[in-house]
Amino acid sequence: QKEVEQDPGPLSVPEGAIVSLNCTYSNSAFQYFMWYRQYSRKGPELLMYTYSSGNKEDGRFTAQVDKSSKYISLFIRDSQPSDSATYLCAMSSGGSYIPTFGRGTSLIVHP
Amino acid sequence: ETGVTQSPTHLIKTRGQQVTLRCSSQSGHNTVSWYQQALGQGPQFIFQYYREEENGRGNFPPRFSGLQFPNYSSELNVNALELDDSALYLCASTAQRGAQETQYFGPGTRLLVL
Repeated sequence: QKEVEQDPGPLSVPEGAIVSLNCTYSNSAFQYFMWYRQYSRKGPELLMYTYSSGNKEDGRFTAQVDKSSKYISLFIRDSQPSDSATYLCAMSSGGSYIPTFGRGTSLIVHP
Repeated sequence: ETGVTQSPTHLIKTRGQQVTLRCSSQSGHNTVSWYQQALGQGPQFIFQYYREEENGRGNFPPRFSGLQFPNYSSELNVNALELDDSALYLCASTAQRGAQETQYFGPGTRLLVL
């Protein structure tokens, strides 16, 4: 079993839909949870960063962490075609910043 | 843009050859990490350098080595290339953004080993 599990998709939704992306993990030492967006032929770009459990909102994006279930989510409201990309979850324990990444979920938002 | 650049953008090598990939990050970003991203997978941590010293290493063999220079540039060297080394190689520099450390990724070098 991998430390971080993420469904690769692809997930195809119409413009304006609410998108839910999820990851599960097995390492209870993880405390820092990140979501990255990666466009084709580009490096990952940090979208959201959460410490421990709870919710965090930034514009159309909401990140949720449930440490008791070892489950994290990213919600995208009013999805746009420009949101089409691969979304990577990543997490790390305390100390040095060396995240463990999921394999990424490919999202396609069609007009 | 992240301020992290990588060269070359693409590279084709044959099995057994050696390759050097380069990264340049912003002034003041003292920590640089290298990742390997195979097609359809997330980035896998190779190693990290802090002020020119290796500061952590993932599950990669010794033929993967690196250097960090005082001018915030770094190199990833891979010897005795294997077909499975074909991947996107990402460099990331770490900086403080407010209260948290943030990694800024470069666009990557796509390596194909034939």
